[in-house]
Amino acid sequence: EVQLVESGGGLVQPGGSLRLSCAASGFTFSGYLMSWVRQAPGKGLEWVANIKQDGSEKYYVDSVKGRFTISRDNAKNSLSLQMNSLRSEDTAVYYCARICSTTTCVDVFDFWGQGTMVTVSS
Amino acid sequence: DIQMTQSPSSVSASVGDRVTITCRASQDISSWLAWYQQRPGKAPKLLIFVASSLQSGVPSRFSGSGSGTDFTLTISSLQPEDFATYFCQQADSYPLTFGGGTKVEIK
Repeated sequence: EVQLVESGGGLVQPGGSLRLSCAASGFTFSGYLMSWVRQAPGKGLEWVANIKQDGSEKYYVDSVKGRFTISRDNAKNSLSLQMNSLRSEDTAVYYCARICSTTTCVDVFDFWGQGTMVTVSS
Repeated sequence: DIQMTQSPSSVSASVGDRVTITCRASQDISSWLAWYQQRPGKAPKLLIFVASSLQSGVPSRFSGSGSGTDFTLTISSLQPEDFATYFCQQADSYPLTFGGGTKVEIK
């Protein structure tokens, strides 16, 4: 059974930093692109970042470029998101998500964790 | 960036009703569209990818259609567990973007 379990969320002041983690199990982690997607309270979904299977390529939404860094440790089946210079608009539930790996299911999120809440407030 | 527009933003329906949700892309995305269901307090769940392919384990009452810029998600006979919010997502180009969501409520 595929499982993605996020941790690391919490309350942080504007300008502060936080590191999110996602523990993956039930599949060959190194064979999949992975992603972070966020959802502000009562709002829609926003893709944040992707990382390729070997970590060689990373993609970010413009609003987090230069502030957030996605990384992975395939030996530990772990995905991370380092968030610096946090702003109030970064307040959201952050989901770890697996990206499909077939020729037709491309850049689509087929499994999601339960999310971890990040609140940026003074 | 490709903008995704869903309509309606909410719909009230009864168990057994047929429900159709529309998603429009701001430019041609071929068939690179996915649909997700999100129940309150839960993570999204993939329903459909490449516009019309049903994800494994998803009931056949869900179907998707469309290509280019206009897409639809249809629930043929609404069940109690289908009351949720539905999102479309384009997978054509980065940044990946979602529609604003359609909430299916009990009438």
